[in-house]
This record gives sequence, structure tokens and C-alpha cells, in this order.
Amino acid sequence: AQKVTQAQTEISVVEKEDVTLDCVYETRDTTYYLFWYKQPPSGELVFLIRRNSFDEQNEISGRYSWNFQKSTSSFNFTITASQVVDSAVYFCALRGRGANSKLTFGKGITLSVRP
Amino acid sequence: DVKVTQSSRYLVKRTGEKVFLECVQDMDHENMFWYRQDPGLGLRLIYFSYDVKMKEKGDIPEGYSVSREKKERFSLILESASTNQTSMYLCASSLGQGPGLLSYEQYFGPGTRLTVT
Repeated sequence: AQKVTQAQTEISVVEKEDVTLDCVYETRDTTYYLFWYKQPPSGELVFLIRRNSFDEQNEISGRYSWNFQKSTSSFNFTITASQVVDSAVYFCALRGRGANSKLTFGKGITLSVRP
Repeated sequence: DVKVTQSSRYLVKRTGEKVFLECVQDMDHENMFWYRQDPGLGLRLIYFSYDVKMKEKGDIPEGYSVSREKKERFSLILESASTNQTSMYLCASSLGQGPGLLSYEQYFGPGTRLTVT
């Protein structure tokens, strides 16, 4: 069975602070895929990144960066110099290899960035 | 851009009514999904479909059914709505599993907030 744990439920920071959102996963698959989604107050989930289990390179996209560590089964997400527009619920998700494998979501982290 | 649309943003129905939630995607995706989102529980998969006229149960299918008569449309049906089905319902679509075992991301619609009174 697959499991995604986002232990932080709510985080509040002041604008321009850096913030890291943690994601820990469990799976028996040797090939799997990890995702991060953002859900702003409007409600629509927005895809941010996909990472394959065989690619452990970290990724940076503007103020966003992702740290994938297979050894600790973690896929953490860091926002540098946070902005008010980053306020949202962030979900980490995991999908296994099988063709019919489902996407398993964590419970989400509510990030509030105060001006 | 992928576009997933849902028929209503807000819906209020009475207990016992039959409710249809419609979802349409315009990118010729094979896969379509219905989730419900509740505070503290995250997203839970209700049903999914990998092809026309094909459906698979997700984690919480009880009280729901689905229909996929055309590739672009996936409907969620509440046969007899109950108050515990008050929730946010999210539809998503994705390509299948591509070359090199690449798993494509799911694209979500804006959601339907259903209230059953």
C-alpha cells in the first residue's frame, strides 16, 4: 500500500521568509512518481512538479526548489523569499508503476504568507 | 493548455435527490478521475476511468456511480444524496502511462462544492 505523510498541517510565515514543506512517502514499488500540487483559494489544484524515482536530481524553478532523497523517502518543497500569492494548500502525491496504479495524496499543508 | 471543466461551482440539493456532476476535458486524455476533498482528510478517490465505458472503484465508491459514454466526459452520480456527501468534488484527467514508464500528471477542474440539506 502507498502512503504519503505531510506532517505539517498549517504553516504561517511573513513575506520574504523561506519556507520548507515536508513530504514523506511509503511504497513497495521500485519505480514510482512523486508530484506536488498547489491549491489556491480559488480551489483548482495546479500541478507544480513531477519527479521519477530513478531521477534523484534536485530541481529549481524560480523561487521553488524540490529536494528528493530516496534514502529518507522524502520529497520536500522549499519556497524562497515567500510572497502573499504563495498562500495556498500544498499537496504532495505518489503514484506507483502499474498501469492502473492510483495517485495517493497527502492531507495537504495550508501555507499562509502574511505581508 | 489542458482544460478540465465542471458543470457547476456550487450546488445545493436535498436529501434523497439524484445528483449529476459533469466533467469535460478537451485534451483527448484517456484517464479521468473523481475525488472528494474534505477538511483534514485531503483528496480521496471515488472512481476513475481509463477508457470509454470503463470504470474502476477508487477508495470510497459507496453511494456513488459514474458514467463515461464519451472519451471527453466523465459523470459522477449520487443516486440518493445524503448529508454526508456534502463536500468539494474535484474532477481530473491525465494521459496514460507514457514512454519510458513516464506517469503523466493529472489536471484538475475548478471543483464543485455540493451541499446536501
